[in-house]
Amino acid sequence: AQSVAQPEDQVNVAEGNPLTVKCTYSVSGNPYLFWYVQYPNRGLQFLLKYITGDNLVKGSYGFEAEFNKSQTSFHLKKPSALVSDSALYFCANTGGFKTIFGAGTRLFVKA
Amino acid sequence: NAGVMQNPRHLVRRRGQEARLRCSPMKGHSHVYWYRQLPEEGLKFMVYLQKENIIDESGMPKERFSAEFPKEGPSILRIQQVVRGDSAAYFCASSPKTGGQETQYFGPGTRLLVL
Repeated sequence: AQSVAQPEDQVNVAEGNPLTVKCTYSVSGNPYLFWYVQYPNRGLQFLLKYITGDNLVKGSYGFEAEFNKSQTSFHLKKPSALVSDSALYFCANTGGFKTIFGAGTRLFVKA
Repeated sequence: NAGVMQNPRHLVRRRGQEARLRCSPMKGHSHVYWYRQLPEEGLKFMVYLQKENIIDESGMPKERFSAEFPKEGPSILRIQQVVRGDSAAYFCASSPKTGGQETQYFGPGTRLLVL
């Protein structure tokens, strides 16, 4: 069965520090993995995706994610967090026509 | 290029009324997806449509919910005889092609409140 897990409900980090938001997946076949960000009362904004190729994917706003097949993970990272990065982050996997979203991780960046 | 548009942004209905949610995909996109987000939860897939066709409705409740994407005009998600449990944010997304590798672009959502 296809599933996506975000083990942390919330991540707190100080501005300027590196951040990591974790995601693990379970899928039969090739994974198509996405990260989206949601600001309050807004829709989801696409950050980056892994389809094939390099395991390190670079995306919008300085974010990147590393695909690790052996650990079935796709963690989102940023070298230096900004207060404006505070938002709700969703990992997702698309198989067939259906996209499965993780429950979301709320990121708080403190000044 | 305008993004995905949804209206209304907020909708208040009393129990038993009908709710109609509209979604206009991005220009050039012929694939539309509807998702529901309950408070403090992730998005749950509801239905995937192409023009005039429902491709996958495995996430739709069996009763009271229906969706369409006519040849002309926006996609419509219709909820009949709403109940309080239908209160949620409903998001529409679109993509230019189908396939797992395609990025879906999301609208701002319609927040439905059932009194």
